[in-house]
Amino acid sequence: DAGVTQSPTHLIKTRGQQVTLRCSPKSGHDTVSWYQQALGQGPQFIFQYYEEEERQRGNFPDRFSGHQFPNYSSELNVNALLLGDSALYLCASSGSGTGRSPLHFGNGTRLTVT
Amino acid sequence: AQSVTQLDSQVPVFEEAPVELRCNYSSSVSVYLFWYVQYPNQGLQLLLKYLSGSTLVKGINGFEAEFNKSQTSFHLRKPSVHISDTAEYFCAVSEDAGKSTFGDGTTLTVKP
Repeated sequence: DAGVTQSPTHLIKTRGQQVTLRCSPKSGHDTVSWYQQALGQGPQFIFQYYEEEERQRGNFPDRFSGHQFPNYSSELNVNALLLGDSALYLCASSGSGTGRSPLHFGNGTRLTVT
Repeated sequence: AQSVTQLDSQVPVFEEAPVELRCNYSSSVSVYLFWYVQYPNQGLQLLLKYLSGSTLVKGINGFEAEFNKSQTSFHLRKPSVHISDTAEYFCAVSEDAGKSTFGDGTTLTVKP
C-alpha cells in the first residue's frame, strides 16, 4: 500500500522563477493539504484540496496556487520565487477533509531558491 | 484562531529515563489533538491522537499523552526512552474544518 509520494525530492531554483511540486495521496484518500516547513519551524498550512476544489487556505500570497486532479493527486505551484520561499514543502493526505482524520505525510520536496 | 505552543525547543535525556514533551494549545471551539514525529529527512508520522472520550491516549512506540481541557494542554510522555526515539516531535491541533496548526517542534535527543 503506497503512502504519500512527492516529487521531486530536491529542487534548486533562481529568484523570480516558477516551480511546480507534485503529490500523490495515500491510496483511499481524497483530501490533499500542502504545508511549508521552514528550517527550525513547524509546518505552516498553505491550502487544502477536496473534490478538485481549494477548500481552505492559510496566510500565503496568491503566488502560491494549486490544483487537484480527478485521481486526487495534486500540484503546488509557486510563481515569482523569493529567497524566503526556500523550505521543505510537505504534502499530506487524509481520508476526509475533517479535522478528525490524521494527516499522512510524504517525505517532502526541499526547495532552495538562490 | 487556533495556536499551539510547544514549551521546550530542545529536550536532552539519557537512555531509559522518562521524558515529557509539553504542549499547550488555544482554540475557540472543540479541537482534535495530535502528536507527530519527524525523523531526519522524512515527513511527519502520526504518534497518537485525541478525538474524544478518555483523556489518556496511547500511541505507537510506547508513547502516551493526556488531554487536559482546563489547562488546554496535551503533554506527551514516555516512561523509558531509547536512542531510536531521537527525533523532532510536533504537537498539532485541528478543528472540524480540517486545517491543522502545528507547534514549532521539540527536538528530543536521547543520549547513551
